[in-house]
Amino acid sequence: ELQLVESGGGLVQSGGSLRVSCEASGFNFNIYWMHWVRQTPGKGLVWVSRINFDGSSAIYADSVKGRFTTSRDNAKNMLYLQMNSLSGDDTAVYYCARDPGVASDDAFDLWGQGTMVTVSS
Amino acid sequence: SYVLTQAPSVSVAPGKTASITCGGYSIGRKSVHWYQQKPGQAPVLVIYYDYNRPSGIPERFSGSNSGNTATLTISRVEAGDEADYYCQVWDTTSDHWVFGGGTKLTVL
Repeated sequence: ELQLVESGGGLVQSGGSLRVSCEASGFNFNIYWMHWVRQTPGKGLVWVSRINFDGSSAIYADSVKGRFTTSRDNAKNMLYLQMNSLSGDDTAVYYCARDPGVASDDAFDLWGQGTMVTVSS
Repeated sequence: SYVLTQAPSVSVAPGKTASITCGGYSIGRKSVHWYQQKPGQAPVLVIYYDYNRPSGIPERFSGSNSGNTATLTISRVEAGDEADYYCQVWDTTSDHWVFGGGTKLTVL
């Protein structure tokens, strides 16, 4: 079964750090680009980051650039998002999503169920 | 940065047709994807590259894109279609992905 499962969310203090993970299964993980998308409860989807198939290139939304780092371990079928200097604005459900990577404007064709990150002041 | 505009809500009676629009400057020159998100669930891709349906998505879902507006059309609306719908494009200028604000579809 095609599946993405996020984990690692939780409560963290403002200024703190947290790493969330996404485990892929049921498909050849190492040929896909991967994204992180977040959603504040009751609000819309916001793209956060993209990493290419081998992890050699990652890009970020302006709101997280310099604070968040996306990485992957293809041997373990794992995607990671390291979040530093967290603030209340980072409170959200974080989704990982799959991108075929065939074209720059591909759709996100598989999503995980999300993991909640709450930043307290 | 590129902006996508969606109406916050659309209401439709069962069996009727719902049209959900996504506005953006010359969006017709971009590829638009649409996602459905039901309460408490992850988004699901329902239309990709303007009008294509992934496997498992009913034929009742269709899409179009021209000028400054992309449209997701749901024919013969069912109660199970009630959800939030988001449009998405890739902004070539910033190399970032952009989502519309979402439209909540209510089935009366």
